[in-house]
Amino acid sequence: EVQLVQSGGGLVQPGGSLRVSCAASGFIFPRDWMHWVRQAPGKGLVWVSRINPDGNTVGYADSVKGRFTISRDNAKNTLDLQMNSLRAEDTAVYYCVRGQLVGTVMFNDYWGQGTLVVVSS
Amino acid sequence: DIQMTQSPPSLSVSVGDRVTITCRASQTINSHLNWYQQKSGRAPNLLIYAASNLQGGVPSRFSGSGSRTDFTLTISSLQPEDFATYYCQQSFSIPYTFGQGTRLEIK
Repeated sequence: EVQLVQSGGGLVQPGGSLRVSCAASGFIFPRDWMHWVRQAPGKGLVWVSRINPDGNTVGYADSVKGRFTISRDNAKNTLDLQMNSLRAEDTAVYYCVRGQLVGTVMFNDYWGQGTLVVVSS
Repeated sequence: DIQMTQSPPSLSVSVGDRVTITCRASQTINSHLNWYQQKSGRAPNLLIYAASNLQGGVPSRFSGSGSRTDFTLTISSLQPEDFATYYCQQSFSIPYTFGQGTRLEIK
């Protein structure tokens, strides 16, 4: 059974840093793309970042570029999102998501339970 | 960035209704279009990938169609468990933008 178990998150002051993590099991983690998607309270889904299976190709939404860093440890089957210079508008539930490719089409078939990050003084 | 416009934002429907939700991309995305269902307080669930492919375990009353810029999600006969919010997402180019969502409400 595929599982994505998230940890981290919580309350942080504006300008602060936080790390959210995701432990993967039930599939061959080093073979798959991984993503982060977030959802502000009462709002829609927003794609944040992705990383390729080898960990050497990453992509970010403009809103987080230069502040957030996605990384993975294929030996430990873990995915991380390091968030720096946090702003109030980064307040959201963050989802760890597996990416699958069929041909050239990427889609997200398994989602973690979500981790709430609140940026407030 | 590619903008995804979903309509309608909300829909008041009854059990047994046929429901159609549309999604329009601001530029061609071929068939790089996915649909998700999200119930309140829960993570999204993949319904359709690559515009028309039903994800395993998803009931056959869900179907997707379209290509290039215009796409539809159809629920042939709405069931009580289908009251949720539905999102389209393009995966043609990053950032992988989502539509703003369509909320199905009980009439």
